[in-house]
Amino acid sequence: EPEVTQTPSHQVTQMGQEVILRCVPISNHLYFYWYRQILGQKVEFLVSFYNNEISEKSEIFDDQFSVERPDGSNFTLKIRSTKLEDSAMYFCASSDKLLGPTNTGELFFGEGSRLTVL
Amino acid sequence: GEDVEQSLFLSVREGDSSVINCTYTDSSSTYLYWYKQEPGAGLQLLTYIFSNMDMKQDQRLTVLLNKKDKHLSLRIADTQTGDSAIYFCAEILYGNNRLAFGKGNQVVVIP
Repeated sequence: EPEVTQTPSHQVTQMGQEVILRCVPISNHLYFYWYRQILGQKVEFLVSFYNNEISEKSEIFDDQFSVERPDGSNFTLKIRSTKLEDSAMYFCASSDKLLGPTNTGELFFGEGSRLTVL
Repeated sequence: GEDVEQSLFLSVREGDSSVINCTYTDSSSTYLYWYKQEPGAGLQLLTYIFSNMDMKQDQRLTVLLNKKDKHLSLRIADTQTGDSAIYFCAEILYGNNRLAFGKGNQVVVIP
């Protein structure tokens, strides 16, 4: 069964360092997303990406964050200068269609990358 | 705005039914979802209900939606040890392409 894969599964970094989290979405999917979950808190939307550009982003996704689809298979999330509060589980997801009642797309999630900032 | 609330922990004996509850605040929610996260795994879609429905049954899963109270529940019949996981409810608003999640409910099934 096709799946979304994420690497690394766990990364520990020092505050101020750059981090890149990698995702391989399902191959025929067109829409890509990052969500995150700080320990004990809700899963929060960060950004969605379609047709090589950001289609929507939340207020969490500030200038420290960027996303890229450098080739036909990878989708990356970069955090330029990590802060303690960036420690979280980061989930990548993909869908073949838009979500919601008229488009019936379904989100498929990866297993997550745990980021720990010291 | 979007706000989804869940209680945090449920312990249930194998074979019993489990009920997980969720409340949401935005009446323009169109689809409401239940996701399951097993240890070390990603979020897996279990089932969903469209906002014009009151109930949806899918094998051992029953979803009940009370739009008046903005309350969503998931009932798992004959709970198995493989049902031990964290369960998230999520909503999508009309015209949006993103999900708003609750904090999740940890369900522990005791053999």
